[in-house]
Amino acid sequence: TQLLEQSPQFLSIQEGENLTVYCNSSSVFSSLQWYRQEPGEGPVLLVTVVTGGEVKKLKRLTFQFGDARKDSSLHITAAQPGDTGLYLCAGPTTSGTYKYIFGTGTRLKVLA
Amino acid sequence: DTGVSQNPRHKITKRGQNVTFRCDPISEHNRLYWYRQTLGQGPEFLTYFQNEAQLEKSRLLSDRFSAERPKGSFSTLEIQRTEQGDSAMYLCASSGPPQWTGGTPQYFGPGTRLTVT
Repeated sequence: TQLLEQSPQFLSIQEGENLTVYCNSSSVFSSLQWYRQEPGEGPVLLVTVVTGGEVKKLKRLTFQFGDARKDSSLHITAAQPGDTGLYLCAGPTTSGTYKYIFGTGTRLKVLA
Repeated sequence: DTGVSQNPRHKITKRGQNVTFRCDPISEHNRLYWYRQTLGQGPEFLTYFQNEAQLEKSRLLSDRFSAERPKGSFSTLEIQRTEQGDSAMYLCASSGPPQWTGGTPQYFGPGTRLTVT
């Protein structure tokens, strides 16, 4: 069974600090997506990583896909209160039916 | 592109009642997904359609749950004889052909929050 584990589960930091969120699995994924979800809303896609070792930047957010495509990380530089939310990683299963599994999520709170 | 829409946004019902939710995916997307999410957790897969065919159902989807996508466009999720444990956010997502950047990411609607009293 493919699983995606995220760490930490909760993170509360001050505005301006840096942070890293991890998404780990023992299984290989063909791609991983990162989403941010705000309370009462659906997840919003941030990025898709596809190639092992790939690094993608989205303003202050840096996403990395592990060389073996089993893990990914999200690094936020100089966090702002607007970054507050639930960060989710997700990936397609190997069942061949385009079914996705989601990580357990990291809830980030950035204090002003 | 108007995004994925879901109706209603909120539903409060009494235990034992039936409820139906609607999802309108992004128009050119052929895959449609339903998920359930409880507070603080990631979405849990319920079922998935490719066009009008329901290709996979989770064991979470008991006999009281049924989903349809009759013309390969919008989809409905019905829960019969609701129970308090059904209280959750029900999310719909759609995806299209593989992107040039790789992968087939899903795009989510705002969800329907169900409260069973």
